[in-house]
Amino acid sequence: AQTVTQSQPEMSVQEAETVTLSCTYDTSESNYYLFWYKQPPSRQMILVIRQEAYKQQNATENRFSVNFQKAAKSFSLKISDSQLGDTAMYFCAFMKRTNAGGTSYGKLTFGQGTILTVHP
Amino acid sequence: GAGVSQSPSNKVTEKGKDVELRCDPISGHTALYWYRQSLGQGLEFLIYFQGNSAPDKSGLPSDRFSAERTGGSVSTLTIQRTQQEDSAVYLCASSLIAGGRNTIYFGEGSWLTVV
Repeated sequence: AQTVTQSQPEMSVQEAETVTLSCTYDTSESNYYLFWYKQPPSRQMILVIRQEAYKQQNATENRFSVNFQKAAKSFSLKISDSQLGDTAMYFCAFMKRTNAGGTSYGKLTFGQGTILTVHP
Repeated sequence: GAGVSQSPSNKVTEKGKDVELRCDPISGHTALYWYRQSLGQGLEFLIYFQGNSAPDKSGLPSDRFSAERTGGSVSTLTIQRTQQEDSAVYLCASSLIAGGRNTIYFGEGSWLTVV
């Protein structure tokens, strides 16, 4: 079984500053995906960024980037130039891949979440 | 629709009653998931439908919980004889599994309160 741990229950940052959210995971799988989801007060989970475990290059999406350390099983999210709209709960999630080159299995294992508050 | 649609948005029910929660996935998505989000347990996987395959029900917490997906599209999650510990947000999600990529999109959830 996989486990995902987010050790920071709450974080805060000033607008325009940079913040890093931590995530570690434990798995015996070699092929998997990692995700960061954002959940604002509207409750809808929004995909922020994804990383394929077989890729060494860290994923980036505009102001969002990850630091993926496969050997250390670490997957942190960096938010640059923080905006008020980034205020939300952030979840790190793991999904295993059933077979190389084939379909992936969609069950996500989530961390406990980190509440991020961006202050003006 | 453009996104995953869930209904009702909020539901208050009396302990012991049955409830049905509905999910309408993104058109064309072959996979559909139900998750539960509660204060004490965080986000938990409940059940997963993929095409015509038998669903993965490994996350259902008890036999009071069941789900079906009709015609490969709309899904209904049914909770029988509701208990107070069933109070949670029930999130539905869908995805199109293609070429090894599987991005999951979530609805806004159904907030269930059992009194």
